[in-house]
Amino acid sequence: NAGVTQTPKFQVLKTGQSMTLQCAQDMNHEYMSWYRQDPGMGLRLIHYSVGAGITDQGEVPNGYNVSRSTTEDFPLRLLSAAPSQTSVYFCASSYSRTSNTGELFFGEGSRLTVL
Amino acid sequence: AQSVTQLDSHVSVSEGTPVLLRCNYSSSYSPSLFWYVQHPNKGLQLLLKYTSAATLVKGINGFEAEFKKSETSFHLTKPSAHMSDAAEYFCVVSANDMRFGAGTRLTVKP
Repeated sequence: NAGVTQTPKFQVLKTGQSMTLQCAQDMNHEYMSWYRQDPGMGLRLIHYSVGAGITDQGEVPNGYNVSRSTTEDFPLRLLSAAPSQTSVYFCASSYSRTSNTGELFFGEGSRLTVL
Repeated sequence: AQSVTQLDSHVSVSEGTPVLLRCNYSSSYSPSLFWYVQHPNKGLQLLLKYTSAATLVKGINGFEAEFKKSETSFHLTKPSAHMSDAAEYFCVVSANDMRFGAGTRLTVKP
């Protein structure tokens, strides 16, 4: 049971570089989301998707893009990395089309440092 | 609008003693409430959830939480702490979207 798989686990970028964090789930979940975790701030929602072809912004979307071409995959793109995007990123999915009633299943995180 | 406040950023207990992690919430709707646990360098795992059924909710690993509407609280408890309980715990409120608390780091001393 793979669950939610995130790659890479660690990444160091220079300011202005772009990159994509990959997220894949094998549970046929409709709902997928990206969070960032910063010390003392809990997890904040960046973007989410309630199904293939449907995405929406969360609490902190600026500087990030997402797409959802398949049910399984939900990549997060940083177009021009900034030091403020240094964080730990988590992908999460749920069987519910809305997150508020179903359990969220999390990946193990991707630690990004922007120099 | 909704929000969640975890009243302690760090709690330290001795092994075998009770655990209390405090959470207050604010919501314009009848919310669902969750507790998640995060062990070092791992993703979050659901401990328990309240979704308007019984107000006392039992979760995994001996944890439980009580929903108190009058106090807008959802505190997490465990009668006897184990070393393996050392982790970060997040309270989450969810109505039209999910909001995470800032987290409480639980330390368990031998």
